[in-house]
Amino acid sequence: DSGVTQTPKHLITATGQRVTLRCSPRSGDLSVYWYQQSLDQGLQFLIQYYNGEERAKGNILERFSAQQFPDLHSELNLSSLELGDSALYFCASSAGSANTYEQYFGPGTRLTVT
Amino acid sequence: TQLLEQSPQFLSIQEGENLTVYCNSSSVFSSLQWYRQEPGEGPVLLVTVVTGGEVKKLKRLTFQFGDARKDSSLHITAAQPGDTGLYLCAGALGFQKLVFGTGTRLLVSP
Repeated sequence: DSGVTQTPKHLITATGQRVTLRCSPRSGDLSVYWYQQSLDQGLQFLIQYYNGEERAKGNILERFSAQQFPDLHSELNLSSLELGDSALYFCASSAGSANTYEQYFGPGTRLTVT
Repeated sequence: TQLLEQSPQFLSIQEGENLTVYCNSSSVFSSLQWYRQEPGEGPVLLVTVVTGGEVKKLKRLTFQFGDARKDSSLHITAAQPGDTGLYLCAGALGFQKLVFGTGTRLLVSP
């Protein structure tokens, strides 16, 4: 158990809909990262928040947005969903140590868009 | 363009065999990490290497960071079925970004 929690574990929704994925980082970790993992694309970095502020952006679509709240939990919002958005979405957290950047991953949310 | 290439992509071996997985890049990383991921679960951090030439051992797993900090290898001795999984290397680019490799899927059969 990494100490990172994600809800829900599974999500099935239709095209055009909007969903929210939630993540609670390990106790004491200030950084939260979101990743998308699909079979053909591997693990793709989406976005990072550090202590409530956006720190780095990866391959995140405009239809996707995220935020980190004062209690440090984070939410990833996916809107106007397309079939190609079906994937595993992982949240990871770290203490924010810039040198080693060790990250601890949650169990993921499997999103299926039908 | 994938910054971190792993090889091989797939590896199927018998229990007791040795294997090496490679992680290569043209970029210099401030640190490099190895993760293992099992189906339906998140990646689990195995080790972090920071210094060029560094070697770390974790039981039957030996990790090496290249002298120029551009590549790394993972060697498993006497593989066991419990080693089965997706192995991912990840390189830290400065303070901003962790780049994951393409992954090596390992299957160890009894």
